[in-house]
Amino acid sequence: SQQGEEDPQALSIQEGENATMNCSYKTSINNLQWYRQNSGRGLVHLILIRSNEREKHSGRLRVTLDTSKKSSSLLITASRAADTASYFCAKRKAAGNKLTFGGGTRVLVKP
Amino acid sequence: ETGVTQSPTHLIKTRGQQVTLRCSSQSGHNTVSWYQQALGQGPQFIFQYYREEENGRGNFPPRFSGLQFPNYSSELNVNALELDDSALYLCASSLGGGENYGYTFGSGTRLTVV
Repeated sequence: SQQGEEDPQALSIQEGENATMNCSYKTSINNLQWYRQNSGRGLVHLILIRSNEREKHSGRLRVTLDTSKKSSSLLITASRAADTASYFCAKRKAAGNKLTFGGGTRVLVKP
Repeated sequence: ETGVTQSPTHLIKTRGQQVTLRCSSQSGHNTVSWYQQALGQGPQFIFQYYREEENGRGNFPPRFSGLQFPNYSSELNVNALELDDSALYLCASSLGGGENYGYTFGSGTRLTVV
């Protein structure tokens, strides 16, 4: 099974709209990271949020973390066609040394 | 600053054969992790190497093995290939195990087993 399950599995929006995707996890984490993947290529690191942080911003990206609900969200504001990609959350446990990825959210931004 | 380089980019092998995939880590990174990504799925952790030692392993059989070299580059070896081994294999390098920084991924090697 994959920790860090994303929701929805797929999302289709118009250019200029906001896109929100959520990630849930089951056990305590050290941090949670979001990655983007274009067309089956390598993953690109977007944001890392630590367990003691609640919100982080990077450009048009906003990530929140709610450790009481064991969930995180990624918001992409003013989306562009170039944002079309799969987005994955990855959890790093409090103990251990691996990142565990969820199944991803496939985002399609229509021009 | 160079990123992570993986070779080859594509590979076709026959069931039962052996394969070696290679990864050059980003300059300054001392940890390499390998992931298998089946079509339409998220990456699955295979193992991680730190200072030439295996530093964690996922739920993969022993026919998946690896090495890390003194320059922090790495190899993934898969013996007795099965059809289900067909996937995108991703290498990621990092400074440490991801406690403070994200991973830098290569573009992957797409392995097809026929």
